[in-house]
Amino acid sequence: QVQLQESGPGLVKPSETLSLTCTVSGGSISSSIYYWGWIRQPPGKGPEWIGSIDYSGNSYYISSLRSRVSISVDTSRNQFSLKLNSVTASDTAVYYCARTYGSGNKGRGFFDSWGQGTLVTISS
Amino acid sequence: DIVMTQSPDSLSMSLGERATINCKSSQNVLYTSNNKNYLAWYQQKPGQPPKLLIYWASNRESGVPDRFSGSGSGTDFTLTISSLQAEDVAVYYCQQYYSSPLTFGGGTKVEIK
Repeated sequence: QVQLQESGPGLVKPSETLSLTCTVSGGSISSSIYYWGWIRQPPGKGPEWIGSIDYSGNSYYISSLRSRVSISVDTSRNQFSLKLNSVTASDTAVYYCARTYGSGNKGRGFFDSWGQGTLVTISS
Repeated sequence: DIVMTQSPDSLSMSLGERATINCKSSQNVLYTSNNKNYLAWYQQKPGQPPKLLIYWASNRESGVPDRFSGSGSGTDFTLTISSLQAEDVAVYYCQQYYSSPLTFGGGTKVEIK
């Protein structure tokens, strides 16, 4: 049974960079049938897909964040990471990493395994 | 972007009753070449991540009780809980994966009356 675990700072100052890592256990991140995604959920709101990456490093992002976001993969550590720069209070959310069962290109798929999530607060 | 609209926003039902949640997509999510609807349903309990219930609009994820079922095609979809149990209290979301960006509905909160 695959497990995912997010790690990173819970508090980030405005204008700085949010950095999170997702460690995958119980399965290989190098599988060709999965993407590895980041989703965030502001308090009291629904989930928002941020972006996804495959094992070879092909990444896909929501257009509203594309200028600020980067997702990378480290197959040797079975990890993938999120960087979101120039953050503001509106980036405060619970951030989840999730395995995506791939259904075509551009990171499309449904999320069949999720990490527990980590609350990131943007505040000075 | 495909907009997913759920109704109702909240639902209060008695134990054992049938609960129905609707999800409408702003564009068709049926891929005609394989006749599959690119639509999933999730359950989220407080303090937990969403949990996959249904994919391809009607396929139940392994381990999900058979009182949960999904139906619909094209732009209109339904999640049905045939006999509501206390442990089903949660927020339910639909999600399309037909096109990028992947988008979720606004959620339906299910409570016990």
